[in-house]
Amino acid sequence: EDKVVQSPLSLVVHEGDTVTLNCSYEVTNFRSLLWYKQEKKAPTFLFMLTSSGIEKKSGRLSSILDKKELFSILNITATQTGDSAIYLCAVGDNYGQNFVFGPGTRLSVLP
Amino acid sequence: DVKVTQSSRYLVKRTGEKVFLECVQDMDHENMFWYRQDPGLGLRLIYFSYDVKMKEKGDIPEGYSVSREKKERFSLILESASTNQTSMYLCASSGDSLYEQYFGPGTRLTVT
Repeated sequence: EDKVVQSPLSLVVHEGDTVTLNCSYEVTNFRSLLWYKQEKKAPTFLFMLTSSGIEKKSGRLSSILDKKELFSILNITATQTGDSAIYLCAVGDNYGQNFVFGPGTRLSVLP
Repeated sequence: DVKVTQSSRYLVKRTGEKVFLECVQDMDHENMFWYRQDPGLGLRLIYFSYDVKMKEKGDIPEGYSVSREKKERFSLILESASTNQTSMYLCASSGDSLYEQYFGPGTRLTVT
């Protein structure tokens, strides 16, 4: 059965800290891994990763995929209170028929 | 900007009622999806559609059906609502990049 695991499930940090969120997966016919940020409403798309070792970066956020070890990390540097959210990891298969989401990591950034 | 709208933000229905959840997107996207989100379980795919009148089952289709009569609209139907269908329902759409999905605001459904 396809599975996506995220850790930690919950994290509390102070502004300025750097955080690393983890996502590991077991998916048949892997095609891509996606990261979303979910605040009070719906998830918003952050990154899509398809190739190992290539870092994707957007401002203070960056992410990388390791297809050999079947995991990805999402880094957030110099965290701000506005980074407080649930970060979701999702994996899609080759046939576009199976999207599996992890349970999410709830990040709280304190002032 | 992609806009995905859902017909209701909050909905309360009784057990056994037929429930329609509507989703509309304005970006001419081919692909549309329905998920439910439950604490500790993350997002789970119910159904998706890659074209008008086309539908595919996701991970948890039991108890649900869908309809896509027009490209911009994707409806989720609960034929006979049950309490275990109390959840947050999220609709999403995507274009050429199947995996870059844009989500609607969600409908929080409570079945009593």
